[in-house]
Amino acid sequence: GDSVTQMEGPVTLSEEAFLTINCTYTATGYPSLFWYVQYPGEGLQLLLKATKADDKGSNKGFEATYRKETTSFHLEKGSVQVSDSAVYFCAALGNQFYFGTGTSLTVIP
Amino acid sequence: EAGVTQSPTHLIKTRGQQATLRCSPISGHTSVYWYQQALGLGLQFLLWYDEGEERNRGNFPPRFSGRQFPNYSSELNVNALELEDSALYLCASKWRGGDTQYFGPGTRLTVL
Repeated sequence: GDSVTQMEGPVTLSEEAFLTINCTYTATGYPSLFWYVQYPGEGLQLLLKATKADDKGSNKGFEATYRKETTSFHLEKGSVQVSDSAVYFCAALGNQFYFGTGTSLTVIP
Repeated sequence: EAGVTQSPTHLIKTRGQQATLRCSPISGHTSVYWYQQALGLGLQFLLWYDEGEERNRGNFPPRFSGRQFPNYSSELNVNALELEDSALYLCASKWRGGDTQYFGPGTRLTVL
């Protein structure tokens, strides 16, 4: 069945480091793909999305490209900040929504 | 435009009691989704309502139930509470023709 697999955490980076969080999906057809972010004590917020192959979603310096050939949607940011510390969820919309298990990111000054 | 709202913010119950959690979707959204997020775990899909009907449910026992009202707000009921039901319960809504879920802040349920 459909599923989303994302990189296990936790991830700890120094401020201004490069971030990659891997996400791959298994789905029939071409699902819409999403990254959500959850800050401590809050619900999930949509970070970015892409709806078709080769689309690039971007927001707040984060980017992810819909790669059909590798069924991936890796999240990247060139220079992380302390305020980016949160849990990041990859998700796919097939016949229903599928979420990854979440990756906790801590950025230290 | 108001986002998804959930009430209460926190709920403390004891084993065997019943809990009722409420969700109001964004205006114009007809689909409501419920998720359980236990500590240290990802999101576990609970229920999906659309146009007042239950469309799908996750792998949870029947004591987890809910409904959607004519105004598209929704209620999640958990009967015979167990300690392991302690979690953050998240509600999300979606416009019928859209592909994006919008989440509320959650209800933190603690079972003692």
